[in-house]
Amino acid sequence: SQQGEEDPQALSIQEGENATMNCSYKTSINNLQWYRQNSGRGLVHLILIRSNEREKHSGRLRVTLDTSKKSSSLLITASRAADTASYFCGAGTYKYIFGTGTRLKVLA
Amino acid sequence: DVKVTQSSRYLVKRTGEKVFLECVQDMDHENMFWYRQDPGLGLRLIYFSYDVKMKEKGDIPEGYSVSREKKERFSLILESASTNQTSMYLCASSDGLNTEAFFGQGTRLTVV
Repeated sequence: SQQGEEDPQALSIQEGENATMNCSYKTSINNLQWYRQNSGRGLVHLILIRSNEREKHSGRLRVTLDTSKKSSSLLITASRAADTASYFCGAGTYKYIFGTGTRLKVLA
Repeated sequence: DVKVTQSSRYLVKRTGEKVFLECVQDMDHENMFWYRQDPGLGLRLIYFSYDVKMKEKGDIPEGYSVSREKKERFSLILESASTNQTSMYLCASSDGLNTEAFFGQGTRLTVV
C-alpha cells in the first residue's frame, strides 16, 4: 500500500535554526500533505503539494516534491520552541497513508 | 472553521465488549477516515468512507467494522474489544481529491 515514511525519526535543534525532515512514499500520488501533531492531540494540516508541483511555500514552511524519487522534504526556517511537535507526511489520492512521523524538539 | 468531533477523548472498556467510537463532521465532507496511532507504528488506516453507506478497507481492518448512515457521521465499531486494540484512534474528513484532511482530537481507548 502507499506509505509515507518520515526521516529522521527524531530531530533536536536550537531555536532559530532550520529544521529539515524528509518523506518517502511507495506508489504514484495525486498530492502529498504535511501535518503537525502536538502531543496527544489530532493532526493539523500544514501544507499540500500537488504531484505536478515541485516546490511550495507557506510562511516559514517550504516543501519540495520529487515524484521521480518518490520523496518530499519539509523545511521549517527560523524554528521556534512552539514548533516542537511531531510532523507527518500523508501521501495519496483521495485517501492518505501516513508514516511514523518525525519528532522535532526545538530548544530555547 | 471545519470541526471534526470525536465523542470521547478517553475511553476504558473491558475485553469482549462491543465498542462504538463516534465521529461527526460539520462541513458536508464526502470522505471520512478512521486511523489508529501507536508508538513506533505511526498512523495506520483502518477504514475509509467516500459516501453514505460506502466504505473501503484500509490497511488494518481486522477486528473493526464501520457504519456511515448519514454523511456527517462515521462510526468505528470494535465487535469484541481486545487488549491489542488499546490505542489512539483518530477520525478525519476531507472533501474530495487534492484537499486537506481535518482531524478530530483523538480518542484514547484502553481495553482492560
